[in-house]
Amino acid sequence: DTAVSQTPKYLVTQMGNDKSIKCEQNLGHDTMYWYKQDSKKFLKIMFSYNNKELIINETVPNRFSPKSPDKAHLNLHINSLELGDSAVYFCASSHRSPQAFFGQGTRLTVV
Amino acid sequence: QKEVEQNSGPLSVPEGAIASLNCTYSDRGSQSFFWYRQYSGKSPELIMSIYSNGDKEDGRFTAQLNKASQYVSLLIRDSQPSDSATYLCAVLNRDDKIIFGKGTRLHILP
Repeated sequence: DTAVSQTPKYLVTQMGNDKSIKCEQNLGHDTMYWYKQDSKKFLKIMFSYNNKELIINETVPNRFSPKSPDKAHLNLHINSLELGDSAVYFCASSHRSPQAFFGQGTRLTVV
Repeated sequence: QKEVEQNSGPLSVPEGAIASLNCTYSDRGSQSFFWYRQYSGKSPELIMSIYSNGDKEDGRFTAQLNKASQYVSLLIRDSQPSDSATYLCAVLNRDDKIIFGKGTRLHILP
């Protein structure tokens, strides 16, 4: 029973393509996040949703668009992929607490 | 000034010794502090949280918080090779954002 699951785990794609990463949590949490971890291992928040509502939108290119169809899902769509988008993207969730539970990550490689 | 700062390491500690990891933060209004452990190629996992000044112990781990000096530390007693990982300090700031440090790589020498 994976608590926070992301798909795919690995994604290799060409520059200019559009891709999506899906995230689902079965913990009943009300807040979900997307984080980006670059090659230097710096983990930075991108978006945060609470009860399907966007509450944090950090300075990321508008090529990145999160979508939350319901409380248990937060997907990340990326348009016109660039080389610099290569990173590990982590989905996370929390419930009335700042303690976040992370998914296993999606390693995105743009070639 | 970066919001959450950690020495990137690597920090090498002999097996059985105490590993000491430090973190400083810039937002004086921060109230919640966390230590995450991340093994190579894996996701971060929460190992300690601390909310008030002083020490908090959980098994071999002790978190220490000093809000006046704006630092939080993690001590690992009786270090084991399985403790070798990157340790991420995270702070919930006054804007309710969780800000992570860049992490300290810890290497326990057998």
